[in-house]
Amino acid sequence: DIQMTQSPSSLSASVGDRVTITCRASQSISSNLNWYQQKPGKAPKLLIYAASSLQSGVPSRFSGSGSGTDFILTISSLQPEDFASYYCQLRGSFGPGTKVDI
Amino acid sequence: QVQLVESGGGMVKPEGSLRLSCAASGFTFSDYYMSWIRQTPGKGLEWVSYISSGGGTIYYADSVKGRFTISRDNAKNSLYLQMNSLRADDTAVYYCARGRTGSYWAFDYWGQGTLVTVSS
Repeated sequence: DIQMTQSPSSLSASVGDRVTITCRASQSISSNLNWYQQKPGKAPKLLIYAASSLQSGVPSRFSGSGSGTDFILTISSLQPEDFASYYCQLRGSFGPGTKVDI
Repeated sequence: QVQLVESGGGMVKPEGSLRLSCAASGFTFSDYYMSWIRQTPGKGLEWVSYISSGGGTIYYADSVKGRFTISRDNAKNSLYLQMNSLRADDTAVYYCARGRTGSYWAFDYWGQGTLVTVSS
């Protein structure tokens, strides 16, 4: 099974900051990686699919990059509504998540 | 608008059974792969099972294989998860989710979740 890791596990940031979250796969996975945002008590929300494609309705400050084993989610200018947990996912495997707080 | 509404969760004793349902609306249900995904505070998000649009292709996570059965009724726009031989580590919030067109492992719509608690 492919194992997914994320770093950092948590981070503190301010409104307007540029934030990057890394996801690493235990073996090459081409570009079949997705990113989700989850707020407390809510279901996850798809942000990025296929590593770099922005899901419809998601603000353009979110972007994804990477291929092979290393992937990055970038929030170009953090907004108050972006404080949440973020998960990467490849097929049936989810990363452990990164919590972004103030 | 797309809506997925889960039901059927609750408390059950170990080795008991439970059947979850997911009612879909706002899209052509029969065109989409569907999945069940669960979440616990300790283990995070875990994909459980998926079923193809016509029901002919089904996969399960190793942790539930042989105990859980996914099914769908396209005439009723409904997805199901029959859970047997439940264990304490099956305790979780269970979500149904739609696989995105062309990339069915990308889950573009999720229900609100239903809590399953396995405890004696």
